[in-house]
Amino acid sequence: GEDVEQSLFLSVREGDSSVINCTYTDSSSTYLYWYKQEPGAGLQLLTYIFSNMDMKQDQRLTVLLNKKDKHLSLRIADTQTGDSAIYFCAEGGFKTIFGAGTRLFVKA
Amino acid sequence: SQTIHQWPATLVQPVGSPLSLECTVEGTSNPNLYWYRQAAGRGLQLLFYSVGIGQISSEVPQNLSASRPQDRQFILSSKKLLLSDSGFYLCAWSSGTAYGDEAFFGQGTRLTVV
Repeated sequence: GEDVEQSLFLSVREGDSSVINCTYTDSSSTYLYWYKQEPGAGLQLLTYIFSNMDMKQDQRLTVLLNKKDKHLSLRIADTQTGDSAIYFCAEGGFKTIFGAGTRLFVKA
Repeated sequence: SQTIHQWPATLVQPVGSPLSLECTVEGTSNPNLYWYRQAAGRGLQLLFYSVGIGQISSEVPQNLSASRPQDRQFILSSKKLLLSDSGFYLCAWSSGTAYGDEAFFGQGTRLTVV
């Protein structure tokens, strides 16, 4: 069945880059997503990438996709304390399957 | 524009009591609807999804059930809550295209079973 895996925690210093990694199993997924969850709130879409792309850049965010290895990563440049949240990788298809979420801690 | 409403925001219920969480979507028709649970310290688990009125698919066996009495209404229920039902419940919708699309989430319900 479908499965999305990601590490549970990441800690970085303010101003450094954060890289959150994810692996997925469903090679038919056309879209792959990164969602952000603020404390006590629902999830909001952060960015997404089409499966025919290798990279997408959106301001401080860079998404890299390696289809061969089914590996997705999210890089946040110049990480700020406001970036502290849980980041979910997800693959989109008939139903969206989410990873367990990576909790990003940003130390001032 | 589309909006999703989920209520209540917080709920404290005793073990053995019933549960009803409601979710409604506005501004779209025939959405895919989802119930997710996020247990403390754990990830997001898909509980139920629905592609249409009266059509419910369960992803994991559990003490909960879901119903879709109207196109844009999704209800999560239980007849008797267990302590293990505590968690953060999120309702979501997507447009339901076959090739994948963004999921939009409600603000969530924090359920504590005592």
